[in-house]
Amino acid sequence: GAGVSQSPRYKVAKRGQDVALRCDPISGHVSLFWYQQALGQGPEFLTYFQNEAQLDKSGLPSDRFFAERPEGSVSTLKIQRTQQEDSAVYLCASSLMGQWRDTQYFGPGTRLTVL
Amino acid sequence: DQQVKQNSPSLSVQEGRISILNCDYTNSMFDYFLWYKKYPAEGPTFLISISSIKDKNEDGRFTVFLNKSAKHLSLHIVPSQPGDSAVYFCAGRGAQKLVFGQGTRLTINP
Repeated sequence: GAGVSQSPRYKVAKRGQDVALRCDPISGHVSLFWYQQALGQGPEFLTYFQNEAQLDKSGLPSDRFFAERPEGSVSTLKIQRTQQEDSAVYLCASSLMGQWRDTQYFGPGTRLTVL
Repeated sequence: DQQVKQNSPSLSVQEGRISILNCDYTNSMFDYFLWYKKYPAEGPTFLISISSIKDKNEDGRFTVFLNKSAKHLSLHIVPSQPGDSAVYFCAGRGAQKLVFGQGTRLTINP
């Protein structure tokens, strides 16, 4: 079946613009995760959903970052008033069960460049 | 505070030889350690994991070793193949989070 998909794959924004990044998890996967990967670094946890409930948002760097998963499937990560330091690859991952021990399957990421 | 560190940004190995990728951690609360492999323009894919109560886990050409006293783990790939050329991330799982290292770029030379 299809893996995790993300759109757009590339996004260029002017500083101060709002952006919305979409994640389509593997069908039937309960858990969904967002990560931020800066250049030359490993992925860093942003937030975690189990179905539609956002159980952990401790990694969101500021209140400009907002994530939602209203129907427990597709998720959107929104960044308001983008700043240059927001430039990174944003990765989405999903796992079958609602357990952290389950294997996380990653999408290809959205590369965000803020000018 | 870098809880998981991969101190070698890159590694070059001849095809057929053993590749050894290293990872150090500081958080004693990690209950599992995982290795992910990443090709360009793709997301990371899970490779192999090890429980903190084990010291070795093997899956085909891939073996992960854990030395808890040294807070060190390593991934051995033998024999190395051209398709193994990728960036490898180690990660520790604890407190309901995955914490990743910075990655090591492995290049397998023919």
